[in-house]
Amino acid sequence: EAGVTQSPTHLIKTRGQQATLRCSPISGHTSVYWYQQALGLGLQFLLWYDEGEERNRGNFPPRFSGRQFPNYSSELNVNALELEDSALYLCASSIFKGTGTYEQYFGPGTRLTVT
Amino acid sequence: QKEVEQNSGPLSVPEGAIASLNCTYSDRGSQSFFWYRQYSGKSPELIMFIYSNGDKEDGRFTAQLNKASQYVSLLIRDSQPSDSATYLCAVKSNTGKLIFGQGTTLQVKP
Repeated sequence: EAGVTQSPTHLIKTRGQQATLRCSPISGHTSVYWYQQALGLGLQFLLWYDEGEERNRGNFPPRFSGRQFPNYSSELNVNALELEDSALYLCASSIFKGTGTYEQYFGPGTRLTVT
Repeated sequence: QKEVEQNSGPLSVPEGAIASLNCTYSDRGSQSFFWYRQYSGKSPELIMFIYSNGDKEDGRFTAQLNKASQYVSLLIRDSQPSDSATYLCAVKSNTGKLIFGQGTTLQVKP
């Protein structure tokens, strides 16, 4: 079974541009989480999508946005890029199977560099 | 006070010993608790999920949750050098917000 996939692997943009990152979840998973992992700042929660709806977002400005498509894949958009947006962006898909079982897998990430 | 706190370490234990990693959280409304393992240069991997008070065991891993004291811990029995990694604690509130601690680096020495 294919794991969580993310594209592109690397993305280089200049300040002020827009970036679009994509995530395909594991088949059967309906939730997608986006995280930012910047050097020295740990893993920061960005967005949570479930069944096509945005369920919650972390403490990030509105220029970070996204959506989840009917096939549960997801897109993260970052507008008006700033230098400090340079980070590894991780996507994870998950499903709560009941009886206390929770399954979550991370993708390999997209490394965004803003110059 | 940080929402989720972990000792950054490094925590160093000899091979075969029990490694004990701790995490405290500030939001009393938190519902679910997670432990991840992250090897250097790799994505995190979920190793434990717990939502009820008490202990949950999975192989060599035991998660312990105490909601009254607002802490969750991870015990790794019979530690192996391959367990050397950064362990991340994450806490999910009842609104779905997922907050991570900074992680504890574990070193298991042969």
